[in-house]
Amino acid sequence: KNEVEQSPQNLTAQEGEFITINCSYSVGISALHWLQQHPGGGIVSLFMLSSGKKKHGRLIATINIQEKHSSLHITASHPRDSAVYICAVSRYSNYQLIWGAGTKLIIKP
Amino acid sequence: SAVISQKPSRDICQRGTSLTIQCQVDSQVTMMFWYRQQPGQSLTLIATANQGSEATYESGFVIDKFPISRPNLTFSTLTVSNMSPEDSSIYLCSVGSAGQVGTNTEAFFGQGTRLTVV
Repeated sequence: KNEVEQSPQNLTAQEGEFITINCSYSVGISALHWLQQHPGGGIVSLFMLSSGKKKHGRLIATINIQEKHSSLHITASHPRDSAVYICAVSRYSNYQLIWGAGTKLIIKP
Repeated sequence: SAVISQKPSRDICQRGTSLTIQCQVDSQVTMMFWYRQQPGQSLTLIATANQGSEATYESGFVIDKFPISRPNLTFSTLTVSNMSPEDSSIYLCSVGSAGQVGTNTEAFFGQGTRLTVV
């Protein structure tokens, strides 16, 4: 079993829909990251969080440390949100990031 | 935040040749990380590059195949040597989270180098 699991692997939705991507992890962490990768390959950090909830524009990230679970929500989705969304965690004992497999999101106009 | 300029953005190379990828950061950072992302896969850490010391390679990656330079705190190169089609991947450099041991910071990435070996 992978230490970081994301679901779903693929998600196709219509423009305007509310999107939820889930991330579960099985190790002790110091922080969880949500990142976005566009088709060209570049990766952008969206959020880093260790508790609670963060919001940036139409994006919301939540984390439940007790349940070892995080969600990324996109409100009023738009075709430009189409990308791969990746969850990664930082461990206390090791500075390296542990990566989820990513969720490929396609928003249709 | 950190801004990373990575080049080339893409290249098509002949097997048996080598390609050097460069990353320039707009601030001084202790550690830089090099990742490979094979088609349809998640990121795999190749090595961690500290300024002034040899890079630390992950299991499955060796210096002869992926030599790394880190001449100063803002620059690093990764060379993919004696390339084969199996080396076709996206290569990314990164700084930050994990940039300093024990410190949580965001992870910042270069734009990626999409390498195709023919």
